[in-house]
Amino acid sequence: AQSVTQLGSHVSVSEGALVLLRCNYSSSVPPYLFWYVQYPNQGLQLLLKYTSAATLVKGINGFEAEFKKSETSFHLTKPSAHMSDAAEYFCAVSGGFKTIFGAGTRLFVKA
Amino acid sequence: GAGVSQSPSNKVTEKGKDVELRCDPISGHTALYWYRQRLGQGLEFLIYFQGNSAPDKSGLPSDRFSAERTGESVSTLTIQRTQQEDSAVYLCASSRRTSGSSPYNEQFFGPGTRLTVL
Repeated sequence: AQSVTQLGSHVSVSEGALVLLRCNYSSSVPPYLFWYVQYPNQGLQLLLKYTSAATLVKGINGFEAEFKKSETSFHLTKPSAHMSDAAEYFCAVSGGFKTIFGAGTRLFVKA
Repeated sequence: GAGVSQSPSNKVTEKGKDVELRCDPISGHTALYWYRQRLGQGLEFLIYFQGNSAPDKSGLPSDRFSAERTGESVSTLTIQRTQQEDSAVYLCASSRRTSGSSPYNEQFFGPGTRLTVL
């Protein structure tokens, strides 16, 4: 069985500051991990995915995430936040066709 | 089409009425998923279609919920005798065929249908 925990339902950063969105997972099989972003009134869009290749995964819009098996974590980072990054971010884990999504973290970016 | 489309974008209905939500997946995508997203919450898996295989209905919350898919095209999600607790955004996603060599294809999401049950 898989599960995902996203720490912090809301995160607020200043423009230009580091973005760190936390995700911990539980999986009984080697996991496939994803980060999706949801802009207001839109569907989810894939940011990046981990599929057992490199542990540091680079995605779109300057985001990246690092798979740490020992910590069962897959935190999402971006060195410098932009106003356009304000959105909701979902971490997800898949051990088969069924993908389990976290509750989401809403990112606010202050000018 | 260029992406996954869903209709209607918004639906307001009265408690006890039936509603039908539609999803048009990306052409050539054999896998189709329905999710429910309640306000401030994550995505709740409802049902999965893969080609002509029997769908996985394990996520449907009650027998008031049902879904159909014609071949590898349009899918409809039907909610009978709607309740206020059914109010949510219903998201549809599609992906290319999942297989042993490529089991975790990216899901492409539609914009969702916002259902409000009064």
